[in-house]
Amino acid sequence: QSVLTQPPSASGTPGQRVTISCSGSSSNIGGNTVNWYQQLPGTAPKLLIYSNNQRPSGVPDRFSGSKSGTSASLAISGLQSEDEADYYCAAWDDSLNAWVFGGGTKLTVL
Amino acid sequence: EVQLLESGGGLVQPGGSLRLSCAASGFTFTSYAMSWVRQAPGKGLEWVSAISGSDGSTYYADSVKGRFTISRDNSKNTLYVQMNSLRAEDTAVYYCAKHIGLIWSRGYYFDYWGQGTLVTVSS
Repeated sequence: QSVLTQPPSASGTPGQRVTISCSGSSSNIGGNTVNWYQQLPGTAPKLLIYSNNQRPSGVPDRFSGSKSGTSASLAISGLQSEDEADYYCAAWDDSLNAWVFGGGTKLTVL
Repeated sequence: EVQLLESGGGLVQPGGSLRLSCAASGFTFTSYAMSWVRQAPGKGLEWVSAISGSDGSTYYADSVKGRFTISRDNSKNTLYVQMNSLRAEDTAVYYCAKHIGLIWSRGYYFDYWGQGTLVTVSS
């Protein structure tokens, strides 16, 4: 049981915009920033979004993040086949004094 | 280029021990906190343990406290985790991950991950 809640799956067709949600509580998302990681099949996680909405160098601007209250979202516009991956949200939890993750969302490009 | 290369995984019986290593390069190892994060087969990510880059303070998830010991050898740019009293539920791919700063705390998220090493606990 993950501390942060994500839908287990999402899907879209090439060119579409999809969003992935991440729900938490006041002790994690509500009081701290959210990061997103992309895990392509068989590979290590890669930082995709940090501090709610910042993209590391090299991440396409098709990827964007937002946060409101105790929830966060990752949006992918102009969906491409290479975006098919698992996506994880993460945040610091003040009650646990630890980094916590969502259960992951498997994105399928139809 | 930041590189993290884990090794030491394998098959171990319940109650057994294993030591994982993570060789780091491409950054000043002593200046960054490091963590171990695991992923059980078909499951999500779970933070396991962390060590600061300054005073070597260590931190553990409740699920491994008292059984796992994290350490680092700054002269060898290598991170370790000694895993004792292993259980079936410890079966996972173990990733080492670099934090963006010296300490392990809010704001100091993971920015680079290794490729992982598989630990299987089974009789």
